[in-house]
Amino acid sequence: EPEVTQTPSHQVTQMGQEVILRCVPISNHLYFYWYRQILGQKVEFLVSFYNNEISEKSEIFDDQFSVERPDGSNFTLKIRSTKLEDSAMYFCASREINQPQHFGDGTRLSIL
Amino acid sequence: EDQVTQSPEALRLQEGESSSLNCSYTVSGLRGLFWYRQDPGKGPEFLFTLYSAGEEKEKERLKATLTKKESFLHITAPKPEDSATYLCALYNFNKFYFGSGTKLNVKP
Repeated sequence: EPEVTQTPSHQVTQMGQEVILRCVPISNHLYFYWYRQILGQKVEFLVSFYNNEISEKSEIFDDQFSVERPDGSNFTLKIRSTKLEDSAMYFCASREINQPQHFGDGTRLSIL
Repeated sequence: EDQVTQSPEALRLQEGESSSLNCSYTVSGLRGLFWYRQDPGKGPEFLFTLYSAGEEKEKERLKATLTKKESFLHITAPKPEDSATYLCALYNFNKFYFGSGTKLNVKP
């Protein structure tokens, strides 16, 4: 069964550095999402992406964040000038039209 | 503001002891309510989508129901492998809102 894959599984970065989290959505899916889950807290919506542009974003998704689909298969989340509070699990999800989202297993981001 | 509230936060059951998890919501114009299962260190795994009050979906020992203000996930005769965190999520105006989840522990 096709899966959403995320790399790396764990990323350790110094505070103030930039980090790029990578996702390969399921190949025929059209809608892409990023979520974050701080340890012990709920899954929070960050951004949705469709037709090569952001379709919706949350208050969390400020100028520090950006998303890109650089080619036909990857979907990336860039976090500039990371802060301690950016430490969390980041999940990518994708879906077809009128279908539920499928999630990857996440990247654990640790900011030191 | 909290749009999705799940209860209880944690639930311990004996194997075979049926129970229900609750998801209450306060949005208008609901476009879909989703149930997911999340195992430790994994991403949420899709279980059900419900779109309108009165709708029910079933899969093995799980049954999801929806009213205008809440959804229930009924677990019948659970097994230890049903132990996980169960998440409820709403789809509204192109955003998804997750509840905090119910952590279910089924003892053999």
